[in-house]
Amino acid sequence: DAGVTQSPTHLIKTRGQQVTLRCSPKSGHDTVSWYQQALGQGPQFIFQYYEEEERQRGNFPDRFSGHQFPNYSSELNVNALLLGDSALYLCASSSSGQFNTEAFFGQGTRLTVV
Amino acid sequence: KNEVEQSPQNLTAQEGEFITINCSYSVGISALHWLQQHPGGGIVSLFMLSSGKKKHGRLIATINIQEKHSSLHITASHPRDSAVYICAVTRGSTLGRLYFGRGTQLTVWP
Repeated sequence: DAGVTQSPTHLIKTRGQQVTLRCSPKSGHDTVSWYQQALGQGPQFIFQYYEEEERQRGNFPDRFSGHQFPNYSSELNVNALLLGDSALYLCASSSSGQFNTEAFFGQGTRLTVV
Repeated sequence: KNEVEQSPQNLTAQEGEFITINCSYSVGISALHWLQQHPGGGIVSLFMLSSGKKKHGRLIATINIQEKHSSLHITASHPRDSAVYICAVTRGSTLGRLYFGRGTQLTVWP
């Protein structure tokens, strides 16, 4: 059983460009959450997708957008990249059917903006 | 102020030592999670608990709901325990969203 998979693992982009990160949830999970982790900090919540809709959103600008597909996989898009967007982007999947559900994380995508 | 605070931020130990990492939180929670993050970046769930105590191998996690405090203990520490340990909470109103502490960098020397 594959866990949460993210692609790509590393990415270098130039300021002003756009980037798309991808996440496939663990089998049986229907909810995907995205987090941004700057160096030396704990992860910060970006948004959460369930039933192909954004269900919750953290304090991130509209440059950060996402999508969830019918197979529960998800994309995170960031437009007009800034140097400050350089971070590890983590995807976590969980099951909406459980009240207290353990989250499973992917290995993350390391984004560097130059 | 962050909803979840961890201490210490950095911890160095000699192999075999007993280690304690503390976590306090200021909001109502449905569960508290202890997570481990290795230099590669991926995060692994160690424990999810909402009351009492859990044990897995050399790791023990406790939570005191009244005091809004949790501890992660590592007995007989080993260099392979070196990692960042992160405390996070879920709140009943926020559907599985995790609120994270900043993490504790643990280094265990042989």
